[in-house]
Amino acid sequence: DAKTTQPNSMESNEEEPVHLPCNHSTISGTDYIHWYRQLPSQGPEYVIHGLTSNVNNRMASLAIAEDRKSSTLILHRATLRDAAVYYCIKSDSNYQLIWGAGTKLIIKP
Amino acid sequence: DSGVTQTPKHLITATGQRVTLRCSPRSGDLSVYWYQQSLDQGLQFLIQYYNGEERAKGNILERFSAQQFPDLHSELNLSSLELGDSALYFCASSVEGTRPSTDTQYFGPGTRLTVL
Repeated sequence: DAKTTQPNSMESNEEEPVHLPCNHSTISGTDYIHWYRQLPSQGPEYVIHGLTSNVNNRMASLAIAEDRKSSTLILHRATLRDAAVYYCIKSDSNYQLIWGAGTKLIIKP
Repeated sequence: DSGVTQTPKHLITATGQRVTLRCSPRSGDLSVYWYQQSLDQGLQFLIQYYNGEERAKGNILERFSAQQFPDLHSELNLSSLELGDSALYFCASSVEGTRPSTDTQYFGPGTRLTVL
Protein backbone atom coordinates (compact mmCIF):
# COMPACT_ATOMS: atom_id res chain seq x y z
CA ASP A 1 0.00 0.00 0.00
CA ALA A 2 1.70 3.14 -1.23
CA LYS A 3 1.78 6.23 0.91
CA THR A 4 0.60 9.60 -0.26
CA THR A 5 3.00 12.19 -1.67
CA GLN A 6 3.31 15.64 -0.11
CA PRO A 7 5.88 18.43 -0.30
CA ASN A 8 8.34 18.34 2.58
CA SER A 9 7.64 21.92 3.60
CA MET A 10 5.70 25.02 2.66
CA GLU A 11 5.74 28.62 3.80
CA SER A 12 2.87 31.04 3.99
CA ASN A 13 2.17 34.46 5.37
CA GLU A 14 -0.07 34.96 8.36
CA GLU A 15 -3.72 35.69 7.58
CA GLU A 16 -3.40 34.42 4.02
CA PRO A 17 -4.96 31.25 2.60
CA VAL A 18 -2.83 28.12 2.43
CA HIS A 19 -3.23 25.32 -0.08
CA LEU A 20 -1.53 22.07 0.91
CA PRO A 21 -1.38 19.54 -1.94
CA CYS A 22 -1.39 15.75 -1.74
CA ASN A 23 -1.11 13.04 -4.36
CA HIS A 24 -2.69 9.65 -3.75
CA SER A 25 -2.76 8.01 -7.18
CA THR A 26 -3.16 4.46 -5.77
CA ILE A 27 -6.26 5.21 -3.76
CA SER A 28 -9.11 2.74 -4.09
CA GLY A 29 -12.70 3.72 -4.74
CA THR A 30 -13.89 3.35 -1.15
CA ASP A 31 -10.88 4.79 0.70
CA TYR A 32 -11.26 8.05 2.51
CA ILE A 33 -8.63 10.76 2.51
CA HIS A 34 -7.80 12.02 5.98
CA TRP A 35 -5.84 15.04 7.08
CA TYR A 36 -4.31 15.29 10.50
CA ARG A 37 -1.85 17.83 11.83
CA GLN A 38 0.76 17.64 14.52
CA LEU A 39 1.72 20.78 16.38
CA PRO A 40 5.19 20.86 17.93
CA SER A 41 5.54 18.48 20.88
CA GLN A 42 1.94 17.31 20.64
CA GLY A 43 0.01 14.31 19.42
CA PRO A 44 -1.65 14.45 16.01
CA GLU A 45 -4.97 16.22 15.73
CA TYR A 46 -7.78 15.46 13.29
CA VAL A 47 -8.39 18.15 10.67
CA ILE A 48 -10.81 16.82 8.06
CA HIS A 49 -11.61 13.82 5.91
CA GLY A 50 -13.56 13.12 2.73
CA LEU A 51 -14.38 10.55 0.08
CA THR A 52 -15.38 12.16 -3.18
CA SER A 53 -16.90 15.59 -2.84
CA ASN A 54 -15.43 18.67 -1.26
CA VAL A 55 -15.77 18.96 2.50
CA ASN A 56 -15.79 21.93 4.85
CA ASN A 57 -15.54 22.23 8.60
CA ARG A 58 -14.57 24.93 11.05
CA MET A 59 -10.87 24.19 10.66
CA ALA A 60 -10.40 23.76 6.94
CA SER A 61 -11.75 22.75 3.54
CA LEU A 62 -10.82 19.67 1.57
CA ALA A 63 -10.94 19.75 -2.21
CA ILE A 64 -10.76 16.30 -3.81
CA ALA A 65 -10.00 15.95 -7.51
CA GLU A 66 -12.64 14.35 -9.68
CA ASP A 67 -10.39 11.33 -10.39
CA ARG A 68 -9.56 11.17 -6.62
CA LYS A 69 -5.84 10.93 -7.34
CA SER A 70 -5.09 14.15 -5.55
CA SER A 71 -6.53 16.49 -2.97
CA THR A 72 -5.83 19.88 -1.45
CA LEU A 73 -6.25 20.98 2.13
CA ILE A 74 -7.22 24.64 2.33
CA LEU A 75 -6.68 26.75 5.42
CA HIS A 76 -8.65 29.87 4.67
CA ARG A 77 -6.76 32.26 6.88
CA ALA A 78 -3.61 30.86 8.42
CA THR A 79 -2.51 32.00 11.85
CA LEU A 80 0.74 31.37 13.68
CA ARG A 81 -1.05 28.62 15.61
CA ASP A 82 -1.51 26.70 12.35
CA ALA A 83 2.22 26.07 12.08
CA ALA A 84 2.46 22.29 12.21
CA VAL A 85 3.21 19.17 10.20
CA TYR A 86 0.18 18.31 8.08
CA TYR A 87 -0.35 14.67 7.15
CA CYS A 88 -2.40 13.53 4.17
CA ILE A 89 -3.36 9.94 4.90
CA LYS A 90 -5.04 7.10 3.09
CA SER A 91 -5.87 3.66 4.36
CA ASP A 92 -4.34 0.26 3.66
CA SER A 93 -6.09 -3.00 2.79
CA ASN A 94 -6.86 -3.51 6.51
CA TYR A 95 -8.48 -0.07 6.70
CA GLN A 96 -5.62 1.25 8.83
CA LEU A 97 -4.22 4.72 8.23
CA ILE A 98 -0.92 4.94 6.37
CA TRP A 99 1.08 7.97 7.49
CA GLY A 100 3.76 9.58 5.34
CA ALA A 101 6.27 12.20 6.43
CA GLY A 102 3.81 15.07 5.99
CA THR A 103 4.29 18.72 5.04
CA LYS A 104 5.84 21.08 7.54
CA LEU A 105 3.87 24.32 7.30
CA ILE A 106 5.76 27.45 8.30
CA ILE A 107 3.71 30.58 8.92
CA LYS A 108 5.52 33.89 8.62
CA PRO A 109 4.21 36.83 10.64
CA ASP B 1 -7.22 18.24 25.25
CA SER B 2 -8.27 15.17 23.24
CA GLY B 3 -9.49 13.23 26.26
CA VAL B 4 -6.92 10.48 25.68
CA THR B 5 -4.36 10.11 28.44
CA GLN B 6 -1.00 8.40 28.32
CA THR B 7 1.46 7.61 31.06
CA PRO B 8 4.27 8.07 31.63
CA LYS B 9 5.16 11.17 29.65
CA HIS B 10 8.84 10.32 29.56
CA LEU B 11 10.67 7.05 30.08
CA ILE B 12 14.40 6.49 30.12
CA THR B 13 15.71 2.97 30.34
CA ALA B 14 18.59 0.75 29.31
CA THR B 15 18.99 -1.75 26.50
CA GLY B 16 17.60 -5.16 27.29
CA GLN B 17 15.00 -3.84 29.70
CA ARG B 18 11.21 -4.09 29.55
CA VAL B 19 8.73 -1.21 29.87
CA THR B 20 4.97 -0.77 29.91
CA LEU B 21 3.17 2.20 28.41
CA ARG B 22 -0.38 2.93 29.43
CA CYS B 23 -3.28 4.55 27.59
CA SER B 24 -6.76 5.52 28.65
CA PRO B 25 -9.12 6.22 25.75
CA ARG B 26 -11.78 8.90 25.56
CA SER B 27 -14.92 8.05 27.45
CA GLY B 28 -17.14 5.92 25.22
CA ASP B 29 -14.46 5.03 22.67
CA LEU B 30 -14.12 1.31 22.05
CA SER B 31 -11.00 1.23 19.90
CA VAL B 32 -7.42 1.91 20.89
CA TYR B 33 -4.54 2.24 18.44
CA TRP B 34 -0.81 2.29 19.12
CA TYR B 35 1.66 4.14 16.91
CA GLN B 36 5.41 4.63 16.93
CA GLN B 37 7.01 7.85 15.72
CA SER B 38 10.77 7.93 15.26
CA LEU B 39 12.64 11.21 14.98
CA ASP B 40 11.20 13.47 12.26
CA GLN B 41 9.21 10.58 10.77
CA GLY B 42 5.54 9.97 10.22
CA LEU B 43 3.62 7.61 12.45
CA GLN B 44 3.91 3.84 12.08
CA PHE B 45 0.82 1.89 13.00
CA LEU B 46 1.57 -0.88 15.47
CA ILE B 47 -1.69 -2.46 16.60
CA GLN B 48 -5.39 -1.85 17.15
CA TYR B 49 -7.71 -3.21 19.82
CA TYR B 50 -11.48 -3.02 19.63
CA ASN B 51 -13.55 -3.67 22.72
CA GLY B 52 -10.88 -5.86 24.26
CA GLU B 53 -9.90 -7.86 21.21
CA GLU B 54 -7.05 -7.44 18.80
CA ARG B 55 -8.44 -6.04 15.55
CA ALA B 56 -5.45 -5.32 13.35
CA LYS B 57 -1.70 -5.54 13.41
CA GLY B 58 0.78 -3.33 11.65
CA ASN B 59 4.56 -3.28 11.81
CA ILE B 60 4.76 -4.43 15.39
CA LEU B 61 7.88 -6.31 16.44
CA GLU B 62 7.57 -9.65 18.21
CA ARG B 63 9.28 -8.07 21.22
CA PHE B 64 6.29 -5.76 21.54
CA SER B 65 2.85 -6.78 22.75
CA ALA B 66 -0.32 -5.01 23.79
CA GLN B 67 -3.62 -5.67 25.43
CA GLN B 68 -6.88 -3.88 26.13
CA PHE B 69 -8.54 -4.44 29.48
CA PRO B 70 -12.26 -4.69 30.33
CA ASP B 71 -12.31 -1.02 31.35
CA LEU B 72 -10.94 -0.32 27.82
CA HIS B 73 -7.60 1.08 28.89
CA SER B 74 -4.66 -0.39 27.02
CA GLU B 75 -1.05 -1.20 27.71
CA LEU B 76 1.84 -1.56 25.28
CA ASN B 77 4.66 -3.75 26.51
CA LEU B 78 8.11 -3.35 24.99
CA SER B 79 10.74 -5.91 25.92
CA SER B 80 14.40 -6.61 25.19
CA LEU B 81 14.70 -2.96 24.33
CA GLU B 82 17.22 -1.80 21.73
CA LEU B 83 18.60 1.64 20.99
CA GLY B 84 16.44 1.80 17.88
CA ASP B 85 13.28 1.53 19.95
CA SER B 86 13.81 5.08 21.16
CA ALA B 87 10.82 6.99 19.81
CA LEU B 88 7.56 8.66 20.63
CA TYR B 89 4.73 6.23 21.22
CA PHE B 90 1.23 7.51 20.66
CA CYS B 91 -2.05 6.02 21.61
CA ALA B 92 -5.25 7.01 19.84
CA SER B 93 -8.87 6.08 20.36
CA SER B 94 -11.99 6.12 18.24
CA VAL B 95 -15.65 5.49 18.84
CA GLU B 96 -15.95 2.50 16.58
CA GLY B 97 -13.02 0.82 14.91
CA THR B 98 -14.69 -1.76 12.79
CA ARG B 99 -13.50 0.25 9.82
CA PRO B 100 -10.79 2.65 11.08
CA SER B 101 -10.43 4.41 7.76
CA THR B 102 -13.75 6.18 8.34
CA ASP B 103 -13.26 6.86 12.05
CA THR B 104 -11.79 9.98 13.54
CA GLN B 105 -8.90 9.07 15.81
CA TYR B 106 -8.15 11.12 18.90
CA PHE B 107 -4.54 11.08 20.00
CA GLY B 108 -2.93 11.24 23.38
CA PRO B 109 0.12 13.40 24.15
CA GLY B 110 2.50 10.48 23.68
CA THR B 111 5.20 8.77 25.71
CA ARG B 112 8.78 9.60 24.83
CA LEU B 113 10.92 6.50 25.27
CA THR B 114 14.68 6.84 25.42
CA VAL B 115 16.77 3.67 25.45
CA LEU B 116 20.37 4.18 26.51
